[in-house]
Amino acid sequence: GDSVTQMEGPVTLSEEAFLTINCTYTATGYPSLFWYVQYPGEGLQLLLKATKADDKGSNKGFEATYRKETTSFHLEKGSVQVSDSAVYFCALKRRGSNYKLTFGKGTLLTVNP
Amino acid sequence: DTAVSQTPKYLVTQMGNDKSIKCEQNLGHDTMYWYKQDSKKFLKIMFSYNNKELIINETVPNRFSPKSPDKAHLNLHINSLELGDSAVYFCASSQEGLQGQPQHFGDGTRLSIL
Repeated sequence: GDSVTQMEGPVTLSEEAFLTINCTYTATGYPSLFWYVQYPGEGLQLLLKATKADDKGSNKGFEATYRKETTSFHLEKGSVQVSDSAVYFCALKRRGSNYKLTFGKGTLLTVNP
Repeated sequence: DTAVSQTPKYLVTQMGNDKSIKCEQNLGHDTMYWYKQDSKKFLKIMFSYNNKELIINETVPNRFSPKSPDKAHLNLHINSLELGDSAVYFCASSQEGLQGQPQHFGDGTRLSIL
């Protein structure tokens, strides 16, 4: 079945540090890939997405590239801010799965000033 | 102008009670979902409705019953609440048909069973 594996947290960084959160997936066909962010006490917000191989999603300084050959969708940001502290979820959606989103377990990021 | 709204935001109740959570979306989407997030933040889909028709039911106990009176609403009723039901429940919606349509989430309902 479909699955998403993302790096275990928590991740603690200093402000302006470089961020990478690894995400790999298992799915048949060509799923769409997403990163969602959950700030404390809130629901999930779409951060970025990619729908086909080699697509790069980007938003708010975050980027992720859909790599079919390595089945990966790693999240990166060049310089994190305290306000980026949140839980980040990688997810996939595959055609024929009744629109179901399959999530990774989430990675808690804490950015210290 | 809230897109996906859930009520109540917090729900504290005794074991064995019956409770409902309501969800409404004003995005004109045709598909709605319920997810359960456990204490370790793991998210798992419970149900999905497309145009008021149930399309996903993921091994959820029969005590949980979703109801979709129209495309804009998806409510969740829970009978005989158990301690293990304590979690945050998220409603979401999407407009399906095109590849890669994201789901939009509500702010969650935190359910605590005493």
